Amino acid sequence: EVQLLDSGGGLVQPGGSLRLSCAASEFTFSSCALSWVRQAPGKGLEWVSSISGSGDTTYYADSVRGRFTISRDNSKNTLYLQMNSLRAEDTAVYYCARVMSGKLPAAPLLYWGQGTLVTVSS
Amino acid sequence: EIVMTQSPATLSVSPGERATLSCRASQSVSSKLAWYQQKPGQAPRLLIYGASTRATGIPARFSGSGSGTEFTLTISSLQSEDFAVYYCQQYNDWPRTFGQGTKVEIK
Repeated sequence: EVQLLDSGGGLVQPGGSLRLSCAASEFTFSSCALSWVRQAPGKGLEWVSSISGSGDTTYYADSVRGRFTISRDNSKNTLYLQMNSLRAEDTAVYYCARVMSGKLPAAPLLYWGQGTLVTVSS
Repeated sequence: EIVMTQSPATLSVSPGERATLSCRASQSVSSKLAWYQQKPGQAPRLLIYGASTRATGIPARFSGSGSGTEFTLTISSLQSEDFAVYYCQQYNDWPRTFGQGTKVEIK
C-alpha cells in the first residue's frame, strides 16, 4: 500500500525557515509527480507546489513563489518543501500528495500524507 | 487563475436522502475536475476524477457530472459516513485551484 509520511512541521517565528519532508514507500518514487497542499486552521484546501517525477519541472502558487522551494531526492524516496521568509498566513497543516499516475503533475491527487502542522508565530 | 466556486456552503440532509453539490469554474477546465471528501482531522480522499469517474473503492452512490464550467457531485442516498466537507479541484491549468468547500451536515 502506498504510504506518504509527512514530517518537519513545528513552531517558527515570522521570517524564519523550515524544511518539510515526505517519506514515500510502496511505489516507484521517481515515476510519480508529487505535490504539497496546505490547509489553514478551519479553512479550505490550498495547492502550494508540484514537482515532476524527475524533479526538473516545478510549479508554485503565487502566494509562495520565491519563498518556498520544492525538491525531491529520488535515491531516498523523499519529497521536500523548503520554506523561507515564513509569514503568519503560512500557518497551516501541510500535506504531501501523489498524483494518480504519471511523472507529470497532470493528474488528480490520489494518495495523501497525514499532514504536518506549521505554526508561524512570535 | 481559475476560480472555483462551490454551492451551497452548507447542505443539511437527512440520512437516506439525496445530496447535490455544485462547482463552477470561472473558465473552462474541460473535464479535468476532481472531487475530494475530507472528514475532521483526516487528509482529503479522492472521490471522483475526470468529472465523472469514481476513484477505486468509492461507492456507486457517489456520482459526478458536468464539463467545461459547471459540475455536480451527487450522493444518491446519504450514509452516516458521508457527512463531511467536499471540495472540487481543477487540474486543467496552473495554478491548481480548489473550491472553498461544501459541508454536508446531518439535518
